[in-house]
Amino acid sequence: DAGVIQSPRHEVTEMGQEVTLRCKPISGHNSLFWYRQTMMRGLELLIYFNNNVPIDDSGMPEDRFSAKMPNASFSTLKIQPSEPRDSAVYFCASSLGRDQHFGDGTRLSIL
Amino acid sequence: RKEVEQDPGPFNVPEGATVAFNCTYSNSASQSFFWYRQDCRKEPKLLMSVYSSGNEDGRFTAQLNRASQYISLLIRDSKLSDSATYLCVVPGGSGSARQLTFGSGTQLTVLP
Repeated sequence: DAGVIQSPRHEVTEMGQEVTLRCKPISGHNSLFWYRQTMMRGLELLIYFNNNVPIDDSGMPEDRFSAKMPNASFSTLKIQPSEPRDSAVYFCASSLGRDQHFGDGTRLSIL
Repeated sequence: RKEVEQDPGPFNVPEGATVAFNCTYSNSASQSFFWYRQDCRKEPKLLMSVYSSGNEDGRFTAQLNRASQYISLLIRDSKLSDSATYLCVVPGGSGSARQLTFGSGTQLTVLP
């Protein structure tokens, strides 16, 4: 069975550029989560969707970050403009109950 | 007090040793808990769920003390492949039962 699919796996870009991260959740899962992981802050929840509707975006750092879920099989996390402090691993996870299944992550480096 | 607190380690133990990790949580309303495992440069994966006083799965035992708001994970007869970071996870987040709050993780290295 396909797990959570994220793309790209790695992204290196210059500060000021727009970055778009993509996620395909597991089919049938109705909740989707975007996390950011850094050495200093660990794993932080950025935003959470239930049935494609954003439920809690209190973890989104600032207006430069936005997330959408246009349908049950696709979500994007966008950073515009990107800054060096946005460098981190960004994970997408999906769930049907409480167990969350994570994608491989996108390793983002902003130069 | 942080929502979920763990000893970051690192724990360096020889193969075959028994090792225990502790975790405290602040939300007394939490009913179920999880331990996730994260290998270096990989995604977190569910290791065990803890729903009552505790449960056991092979070499792994998770225990819950609701009065002290304390969760533990015990690994017996540790293997080299157990080397990873272990994340204590508490549901509830900012009020939603679907959200999970992750501890910062305890790093374990099992040495040959």
